[in-house]
This record gives sequence, C-alpha cells and structure tokens, in this order.
Amino acid sequence: AQSVTQLDSQVPVFEEAPVELRCNYSSSVSVYLFWYVQYPNQGLQLLLKYLSGSTLVKGINGFEAEFNKSQTSFHLRKPSVHISDTAEYFCAVRVTQGGSEKLVFGKGTKLTVNP
Amino acid sequence: EAQVTQNPRYLITVTGKKLTVTCSQNMNHEYMSWYRQDPGLGLRQIYYSMNVEVTDKGDVPEGYKVSRKEKRNFPLILESPSPNQTSLYFCASSLGYRRAKNIQYFGAGTRLSVL
Repeated sequence: AQSVTQLDSQVPVFEEAPVELRCNYSSSVSVYLFWYVQYPNQGLQLLLKYLSGSTLVKGINGFEAEFNKSQTSFHLRKPSVHISDTAEYFCAVRVTQGGSEKLVFGKGTKLTVNP
Repeated sequence: EAQVTQNPRYLITVTGKKLTVTCSQNMNHEYMSWYRQDPGLGLRQIYYSMNVEVTDKGDVPEGYKVSRKEKRNFPLILESPSPNQTSLYFCASSLGYRRAKNIQYFGAGTRLSVL
C-alpha cells in the first residue's frame, strides 16, 4: 500500500532562516504528490502539487518542492520563512486503486517560526 | 467563489445522539470525500463518492454513513456517536475520478466532540 512519511513531526526555526520539511513516499507507477498547509484553526489549503513535468515545483507563499524519483522524496523548502508561515504542513500522495481514489497523507509537520 | 462548505464548524454532542455534518460544493465536482484528522495520525479517509448515488468505504468507515443524492451535497451521518469519534472532520471535492489534474479542495473543517 502507498504510504507517506514525514520525517519530522516538529520543526522550530527562526524568522528569515531557510527551512526544509522532509517527505518520503512509497513508490508506485504513477505518482501525484501534494503539499497542503493548515494554519491554526483553519482548513487545508493546497500549497503546491507535482502531477508531471518539471521536478521543481513552485507553490504559493514562496514555497517550492522537488520531486526526486530515485530517492522517492518530495521535500518542501523555503529560503526565508516568516512568522506567518507557522502552521502544520501535510505531504500527500494521490492513490488510485481499482475503483477508488484517495489522498494518503503523512502525519504532518508542525512548523514554528520564532522571532 | 469556488468553495467547499461544511456545517457546523463546531459541535459538542453526547454518546448515542444521531448527528449529521453537511458538506456542499459549488464547483460541479463529481468526486467528494470525507476525512478525519487526529493528532499524530494525519488525515484518514472515511468515505468517498465518485458521483451521485455512488459511494464507497475509505480506510476508517466504521460508525459512519454517507449519502449522495445530489451532486453538490455529501452529508456525513453518525447514527450513534461514540467518544472515539471525537475528531476534526474535513470534506473534500475534486473534478472527477482518475482525472490526471485532479486536485482535492477541502472545507474548513468540523470539530466534533462526543461526550
């Protein structure tokens, strides 16, 4: 079965520092990968997606991620974080099996940006 | 504005008292899904629907029911809620099953407490 592993449950950083949130997935023939962000007391917002094409994907709020097929990774990066980036980040892979389709999520990484 | 609307946003109830969480989308999406989010577990799919009158179980369907009588609505029903169903629930919708550029859009969430 497809699975997603987010290697860090919590990542504290200082404002303006770079950050990388790590995500690994179990391999499959077709891979569609997503990062969602959940701000405190809010729903999930799509940050970026990899469906095909360029392995470097740019998203909203200055985030980007790189799809690495050989390492089965899809790490999220931002060169300089702001206080407002404090949120929980979820990596997900879209899985299609027989007649079903779903997103399989990692357990989330809480990013805390300190002044 | 394209959106997925869930109601209520917050709900406190008692064990055994039937409740319904509504979900509505205005994007004419075929595919809708319910997830629950629990600390340390990420999001897990409860039920999904590929179109009107077509529903199926996800990973954690026990204790839940759904219906899809209209394309825009996908209510989640808890016939006899129990404390282990205390969770944060998300409804999601997407264009259609097996579409390459399928992206799931999420509602704002419903926080349910069962006492």
